[in-house]
Amino acid sequence: KNEVEQSPQNLTAQEGEFITINCSYSVGISALHWLQQHPGGGIVSLFMLSSGKKKHGRLIATINIQEKHSSLHITASHPRDSAVYICAPETSGSRLTFGEGTQLTVNP
Amino acid sequence: DVKVTQSSRYLVKRTGEKVFLECVQDMDHENMFWYRQDPGLGLRLIYFSYDVKMKEKGDIPEGYSVSREKKERFSLILESASTNQTSMYLCASSRGLGSYLNEKLFFGSGTQLSVL
Repeated sequence: KNEVEQSPQNLTAQEGEFITINCSYSVGISALHWLQQHPGGGIVSLFMLSSGKKKHGRLIATINIQEKHSSLHITASHPRDSAVYICAPETSGSRLTFGEGTQLTVNP
Repeated sequence: DVKVTQSSRYLVKRTGEKVFLECVQDMDHENMFWYRQDPGLGLRLIYFSYDVKMKEKGDIPEGYSVSREKKERFSLILESASTNQTSMYLCASSRGLGSYLNEKLFFGSGTQLSVL
């Protein structure tokens, strides 16, 4: 069993829809990162959170440390949100364990 | 904004060649990382460094070495390139407090290395 499981693996939505990507992990962590990777490879760090909830624009990330679960929500999705979203729990010693990512496609 | 610059976007090398991948960051970050990304395997940590001349092995260090002589520069070295090292290589940096990351990561745009 992978240490980090993301679901769904692929997600297609219509513009304007509310989107949720889930991440479950089995390791003890100090924080969890959500990353966005656009076609061409560039990766952007969206959030780093260790408890509760963070919001940035249309993006919201939540984490439940006890349940070892995090979610990334996108409100009012837009075609420019199309990307791969990667969950990465951070364990001690500066190590991140990466999920395989969720490919999101938002159609106009 | 933090800038993490990788020296090459695409690189083609031959089996057995010594390959240097360079990464430079301009925000005085303590931590620097080298990852490789392969389809179906996600991102995997090769090496990281939390200070000048300090390095630690990641999950897949075999066949690689690193050098960090200056705080802003972290080099990945393939001593004798092999075809199974064909991959996308990504450098990242972050501020660090001790050995805990706990800060956002900033990534370079990646180097697609092909070893023939």
